[in-house]
Amino acid sequence: GQSLEQPSEVTAVEGAIVQINCTYQTSGFYGLSWYQQHDGGAPTFLSYNALDGLEETGRFSSFLSRSDSYGYLLLQELQMKDSASYFCAVSSNTGKLIFGQGTTLQVKP
Amino acid sequence: NAGVMQNPRHLVRRRGQEARLRCSPMKGHSHVYWYRQLPEEGLKFMVYLQKENIIDESGMPKERFSAEFPKEGPSILRIQQVVRGDSAAYFCASSPGESETQYFGPGTRLLVL
Repeated sequence: GQSLEQPSEVTAVEGAIVQINCTYQTSGFYGLSWYQQHDGGAPTFLSYNALDGLEETGRFSSFLSRSDSYGYLLLQELQMKDSASYFCAVSSNTGKLIFGQGTTLQVKP
Repeated sequence: NAGVMQNPRHLVRRRGQEARLRCSPMKGHSHVYWYRQLPEEGLKFMVYLQKENIIDESGMPKERFSAEFPKEGPSILRIQQVVRGDSAAYFCASSPGESETQYFGPGTRLLVL
């Protein structure tokens, strides 16, 4: 089968750093994406890793280890507006995305 | 450059009626994907289409659901004889090519009474 696991909830304070982990078990792995979703709105693309290593985009970074079937999203200098749900998703060889259940991030003042 | 557009944003149907959800991909994108999201859950893949072709419908229920992406016009997700369990948010995404980054529309929230 195909499955992704990520924590259901994470809480952090403004200005802090938070890491959201994602482990996956899939076939036909092409890459790992991260999406942000506010209150059931449109999922917004954040980052994509096809190869091992770290990708940095502003305050957000994403890491992938294909040998460990593991990745994480790192959010730095947290702001209140970062409170949202974060989904990891595996790209399959047919183009479809397989999503995790999502991590709800709550940023507190 | 307009993003992915979906309409209607909200749709209310009674059991047994038909629901038609529309999706216009981003300009230059020829790959369309439909996903369904239940409250507090992740998105579940339903179907992947290119113009006039269904590429992967492995996530689509075998009965009552169908999808198309005609040569002209938006992609349509059609649900016949809706039941209460069909109530969900339906998101469309598009990409310029296969296995490239997918960009999502605002979704259609379907409520079946």
